[in-house]
Amino acid sequence: AQTVTQSQPEMSVQEAETVTLSCTYDTSENNYYLFWYKQPPSRQMILVIRQEAYKQQNATENRFSVNFQKAAKSFSLKISDSQLGDTAMYFCAVIWGNYQLIWGAGTKLIIKP
Amino acid sequence: NAGVTQTPKFQVLKTGQSMTLQCAQDMNHEYMSWYRQDPGMGLRLIHYSVGAGITDQGEVPNGYNVSRSTTEDFPLRLLSAAPSQTSVYFCASWDRGHDTEAFFGQGTRLTVV
Repeated sequence: AQTVTQSQPEMSVQEAETVTLSCTYDTSENNYYLFWYKQPPSRQMILVIRQEAYKQQNATENRFSVNFQKAAKSFSLKISDSQLGDTAMYFCAVIWGNYQLIWGAGTKLIIKP
Repeated sequence: NAGVTQTPKFQVLKTGQSMTLQCAQDMNHEYMSWYRQDPGMGLRLIHYSVGAGITDQGEVPNGYNVSRSTTEDFPLRLLSAAPSQTSVYFCASWDRGHDTEAFFGQGTRLTVV
């Protein structure tokens, strides 16, 4: 079965620090899409960043960047200069070739003032 | 565009009752999915669809039915509600392509008593 694993249930850092959230996955496919979504207390799901597996270059979106290691099946999210508004649940997700969108269990990120 | 419209936002059911959660998208997306979100378990796939008339089971399909008679609509039916179905439910839609992104409904908090 294709799985997505987030091994950090909760993390907390001081405001302005850098934090890295881990995600690993298991698949035999070669082409897929990877995502990080943010879910604040409002329950809304917000796309943070996406990466296509065939692209070697790591995606970046302002303070957010990924470290995509295809051979290691790893897709970590780095948040630089963290802000109080970054406090939320963060989910790693993958769209496989069979068009299923599968999610990790999530990491609760707390940014402390 | 409204995106993904999911109703209702809240619902309380008695054990044994049935109900339908509605999901509609106006983006002409091929792929739609239903998830349930429980604490510490991320989003688990209930059913998904890769186009009108085509549905398949996900990780936790028991007790739920779906249909996809049109591209726009993907309702989720609870046949005979059980307390174990108390959860937050999300509908999502997307299409594959360069800018693939999953769009979500606002979520339904369902309580079965």
